[in-house]
Formats: sequence, C-alpha cells, structure tokens
Amino acid sequence: DAKTTQPTSMDCAEGRAANLPCNHSTISGNEYVYWYRQIHSQGPQYIIHGLKNNETNEMASLIITEDRKSSTLILPHATLRDTAVYYCIGTGSARQLTFGSGTQLTVLP
Amino acid sequence: DAGITQSPRHKVTETGTPVTLRCHQTENHRYMYWYRQDPGHGLRLIHYSYGVKDTDKGEVSDGYSVSRSKTEDFLLTLESATSSQTSVYFCAIGGTVTYNEQFFGPGTRLTVL
Repeated sequence: DAKTTQPTSMDCAEGRAANLPCNHSTISGNEYVYWYRQIHSQGPQYIIHGLKNNETNEMASLIITEDRKSSTLILPHATLRDTAVYYCIGTGSARQLTFGSGTQLTVLP
Repeated sequence: DAGITQSPRHKVTETGTPVTLRCHQTENHRYMYWYRQDPGHGLRLIHYSYGVKDTDKGEVSDGYSVSRSKTEDFLLTLESATSSQTSVYFCAIGGTVTYNEQFFGPGTRLTVL
C-alpha cells in the first residue's frame, strides 16, 4: 500500500467547502485512492475512491492530480455532521485497508 | 446502512478468560474483516475471510482466531484474553464494486481487566 500523508487537523466554517488534502507520492499505477471518515465512536464510513480521473458522488468530490501524487477530497457544503476524522488510503490490495492517523475535520458553526 | 450487526456491543471480562465476538451480515457479501482500534494506532486488520471456511491473517493476528462456518457470520475469538486486547473491535464487509469499499459495523468495546 502507498504511504499517505495528511494534515493532523483542519477547521471549516459551516456551509463552506471543506478541502482535505492527501499526499501519496509513492502510489503505484494500479493503486486506488480511497477516502473514509469516522465520526466519533462510530465505524468508518466509505466516502469515495478513484484511480486517475476525478470522481463525484452524493457525498463528495475527489480530485486527483495528473501525476497521481496527491489528491483532495472536497465536501462542497460542510455541515456540523461532517465533523469527523477523514482517512486517505492508497491501496491496490484486494483485501487490505491500512488506516493511518487521518485528518480531524471540525466544522464550525 | 449495510446490514451488519455486532454482538455484544460492550463486554468486560477478566484476564485469561475466552471471549468470542460475533459479526452478522444480511448482505451476502463474500468478504468479511475484523479490525481493532486503539488510541494512537488507528484501525488495524486482525483477520479477514474471503469465503466460508476461508480466512487469512492481518497485521495484528497474534492472540486471535476466527471462524466462518456460514456466509453471514464471522466470529472472532480471544482464546485467553489479555489486558493488551482491550480495544474497540470493528467488523466490516466488502463492497460490491471493489473489495476495498468496505462497510463497517457499529463496533464492540471490549475491556479486559
């Protein structure tokens, strides 16, 4: 799995876009970038994943740089319920998810 | 929410006693996983299963065993619990698009005294 680096914490104002960066400079060509989040004391929740192209779903958008060395998860209109730890994971393994320390996002009212 | 339940949700036990945690799914997923989560370590994979009676070790498998006799149930057993196994245990099942799109259960908080 690719080593990923994320900021320890970030704040975002409610209603504004939250942009969470992730560096994964060692990612290989067949490894996807996955984003999960974990709201306090709950199980992690899958958000989105991508390989090369930008992706969007009902929860978020994922922007992957052309060289694939970094990506940004975008929550377009953050709410207080988006306060959570966000994990960026780079993996090509069919069975392993390696969670790092993640980014604590705090959405402020 | 994916149909995953874990039981018990909370358990306190004493060192040296056997403990079994149960993960039950109603989604008929082939892949199931057990993770533990500790402060400062994030989530770490203990064991996973890729089918009935098919299991493999994860990153922190020492002191744990698993069994899967039917698709819907994945059991995690601590043969002789130790205080270092005090943790929150999460079960997950694999998604339908890719194996790494996993859906997690609510967790079991285990305290070993």
